[in-house]
Amino acid sequence: QSALTQPASVSGSPGQSITISCTGTSSDVGGYNYVSWYQQHPGKAPKLLIYDVSYRPSGVSNRFSGSKSGNTASLTISGLQAEDETEYYCSLYTSSSSLVFGGGTKLTVL
Amino acid sequence: EVQLLESGGGLVQPGGSLRLSCAASGFTFSSHSMNWVRQTPGKGLEWVSGITINGGKTYYADSVKGRFTISRDNSKSTLYLQMNSLRVEDTAIYYCAKGYRYLDYWGQGTLITVSS
Repeated sequence: QSALTQPASVSGSPGQSITISCTGTSSDVGGYNYVSWYQQHPGKAPKLLIYDVSYRPSGVSNRFSGSKSGNTASLTISGLQAEDETEYYCSLYTSSSSLVFGGGTKLTVL
Repeated sequence: EVQLLESGGGLVQPGGSLRLSCAASGFTFSSHSMNWVRQTPGKGLEWVSGITINGGKTYYADSVKGRFTISRDNSKSTLYLQMNSLRVEDTAIYYCAKGYRYLDYWGQGTLITVSS
């Protein structure tokens, strides 16, 4: 299973919205609604932000939202805050009962 | 409060073995699939292995298949990862994580360094 493709970095100014993409194929991202997103601050464990493409766990800010179009899933962060500056990963639960992660995206808040 | 506490990390020589443990609390361990995920320092996340609620089915990344074995003891609420024939490229922080389609809770990780 190939890794999912994420941009290495994205940036935005405080208060703006940004979108991080996660591109797969019609056999994985395009075929299943099992995409999740994680936030990881340096030296910390990843934290679940979004599951099943667009569902947000309780306690996660509604500034984080997920969507999918074709073979690309997206994480949108609205009302950017300084604390959002960190690394973000997408993940997919595959048909072979494994998980595959994207390469990660570093978000910089300008 | 859900807690996952990994232990067993350390320095090991190439070709050596190590067993990781993950003690779970704050939820019904026997009702949830569990996983191991690793992260090379400064790099991305790599799923390593997963196990179903009763241990009846186990899954592995190609990179560790045949060398690592995942298991669980529901009576002790503990997840394990037996790692044999360790390679330099297995050096990473190893996290245990709860879930199967997505990982909703993660431990803080334990560092494995494979070096001579």
